[in-house]
Amino acid sequence: QVQLVQSGAEVKKPGASVKVSCKVSGYTLAELSMHWVRQAPGKGLEWMGGFDPEDGETIYARKFQGRVTMTEDTSTDTAYMELSSLRSEDTAVYYCATARPDEMPTIYWSYWGQGTLVTVSS
Amino acid sequence: EIVLTQSPGTLSLSPGERATLSCRASQSVATSYLASYLAWYQQKPGQAPRLLIYGTSTRATGIPDRFSGSGSGTDFTLTISRLEPEDFAVYYCQQYGGSPRYSFGQGTNLEIK
Repeated sequence: QVQLVQSGAEVKKPGASVKVSCKVSGYTLAELSMHWVRQAPGKGLEWMGGFDPEDGETIYARKFQGRVTMTEDTSTDTAYMELSSLRSEDTAVYYCATARPDEMPTIYWSYWGQGTLVTVSS
Repeated sequence: EIVLTQSPGTLSLSPGERATLSCRASQSVATSYLASYLAWYQQKPGQAPRLLIYGTSTRATGIPDRFSGSGSGTDFTLTISRLEPEDFAVYYCQQYGGSPRYSFGQGTNLEIK
């Protein structure tokens, strides 16, 4: 089993940055393809970016390019998602998500973090 | 850009009934070994999404066999054969391989009638 535990809720002012962490246990981060998905209040799921097996690198949704950075610390099995130049529309729950490569293609996500609420407000 | 459109937006049914949820893509979803890269997720309030179906029709681990997926090309369906009380939730389809590389439909809210 893979467990993903995310950092706690954040409140940020417009223009600031936020960095959300996702700690992996039960597997090593180096063997996983981590993705980030967000959900604004009362809205649907929105893919932000992640490690793509076809490209062999982290790719980002066009909407977030230039504002988002996804990194990994394999020594602590922790993934990070940093979003800059925050605006009120970035208020959302942010999820990390992944799958075990021995269970299914990693382009689908069977393991999810509990979510981190980021509130952007002046 | 590939857009996934789910219908209906809201589906009102009773426990024991059959649910049919649709996901239509604006262009053909990418395929591998004849199966489209299309998945279905279930989400309940306050919870993270849960993977139900991947590769169009393969049930994820632990998913009951009352859930089934089908389709190809641009038209996909999630069927719940006999609704249980715990099945009332929001359902999302997800594709891989288009532009953007990953994307979700807007969701179908399955509510108790």
